[in-house]
Amino acid sequence: AAGVIQSPRHLIKEKRETATLKCYPIPRHDTVYWYQQGPGQDPQFLISFYEKMQSDKGSIPDRFSAQQFSDYHSELNMSSLELGDSALYFCASSSRQLAGEVDTQYFGPGTRLTVL
Amino acid sequence: AQKVTQAQTEISVVEKEDVTLDCVYETRDTTYYLFWYKQPPSGELVFLIRRNSFDEQNEISGRYSWNFQKSTSSFNFTITASQVVDSAVYFCALSEEGSSNTGKLIFGQGTTLQVKP
Repeated sequence: AAGVIQSPRHLIKEKRETATLKCYPIPRHDTVYWYQQGPGQDPQFLISFYEKMQSDKGSIPDRFSAQQFSDYHSELNMSSLELGDSALYFCASSSRQLAGEVDTQYFGPGTRLTVL
Repeated sequence: AQKVTQAQTEISVVEKEDVTLDCVYETRDTTYYLFWYKQPPSGELVFLIRRNSFDEQNEISGRYSWNFQKSTSSFNFTITASQVVDSAVYFCALSEEGSSNTGKLIFGQGTTLQVKP
């Protein structure tokens, strides 16, 4: 079965640079979530999109932005990178079955971002 | 406010032992969903189970079983006859349903399970 695809898998950037992470959800999934997992931490929700509209926002820095495109893939744009942005970034996708019902989120392999 | 607590930071067992990972949650919603995910050393998050708040039936899947008790707000995970391949970090997570539901997951701190041969 097709899974969530994330690219790149690894990314090394210098401070103050920008980075773009891409996520391709499971086919026919309409919802995408982004999470950030620091070393030894649990994943923290950043932002989500449903049918190409932002549906929720968590502890996402103003330096970060994201969008979901017409083909449902999503991109997380990160600017003015800081050392503290070094983390594993997960994208997850789900299919909203009924209004309000929570479906299972399937996670991609993650993008490991290292800021030097 | 919603919260998930996994009080066991690390557990170490010897292969073939049974082990239970605890998860306690807090929520004000009457309808919510609980999940367990496994994160092996390779880093990916693997979905194990999803349970809604109206389904208190315990579930067994091979060597894995889950005990959901609303009375104690707990959703514990037991691995029977543990194997070295079970070594991983296990996360319990909560998502609430409601008019403002967006499905975001609130994770516990995770429990690192080490199974020694």
